[in-house]
Amino acid sequence: GDSVTQMEGPVTLSEEAFLTINCTYTATGYPSLFWYVQYPGEGLQLLLKATKADDKGSNKGFEATYRKETTSFHLEKGSVQVSDSAVYFCALTVPNNAGNMLTFGGGTRLMVKP
Amino acid sequence: DTAVSQTPKYLVTQMGNDKSIKCEQNLGHDTMYWYKQDSKKFLKIMFSYNNKELIINETVPNRFSPKSPDKAHLNLHINSLELGDSAVYFCASSQAPTTGRLYGYTFGSGTRLTVV
Repeated sequence: GDSVTQMEGPVTLSEEAFLTINCTYTATGYPSLFWYVQYPGEGLQLLLKATKADDKGSNKGFEATYRKETTSFHLEKGSVQVSDSAVYFCALTVPNNAGNMLTFGGGTRLMVKP
Repeated sequence: DTAVSQTPKYLVTQMGNDKSIKCEQNLGHDTMYWYKQDSKKFLKIMFSYNNKELIINETVPNRFSPKSPDKAHLNLHINSLELGDSAVYFCASSQAPTTGRLYGYTFGSGTRLTVV
């Protein structure tokens, strides 16, 4: 079946540090890949996406590149801010996926200290 | 205007009770979903529903049933609540399966269910 694996958190960084959150996947078809962010007490918000190999998704200074050869979609940001503190979820969906459902990784909590 | 809204935001109830969580989307989307997030933040699909078919995750107990009075609503009804049902439940929607794969989903803010 389809699955997503993320690095376990929490990840604790100082403000302006470089961020990497690793994400790898296994999929039965050709997936679309997503990063979602969940701020405390809120629902999930789409952060960025990529639908084919070598695509780079970007938003709010975050980036992730769809690497088919390594089945990865690592999230990066050059300089994190305190306001980036949240839980980040990597997710995928594939064609012919019954019901077009998202499969999520376990989430990675990021804590940014001033 | 909230795109995907869920009510209530918090729900505390006793074991054995029956409860419903409501979800409405004003995005004109064709497909709606219910996800469960456990205490460790792990998200699991429960249902996917459009006006053509209901897809049920086979691991979901049959005490859980989605009910859709119309395209803009997908309510979650839970019978005989158990302690293990305590979680945050998220509703989501996408325009269609194909565009959902391209553009992702819009989530509600969640309903925190506590069974005591």
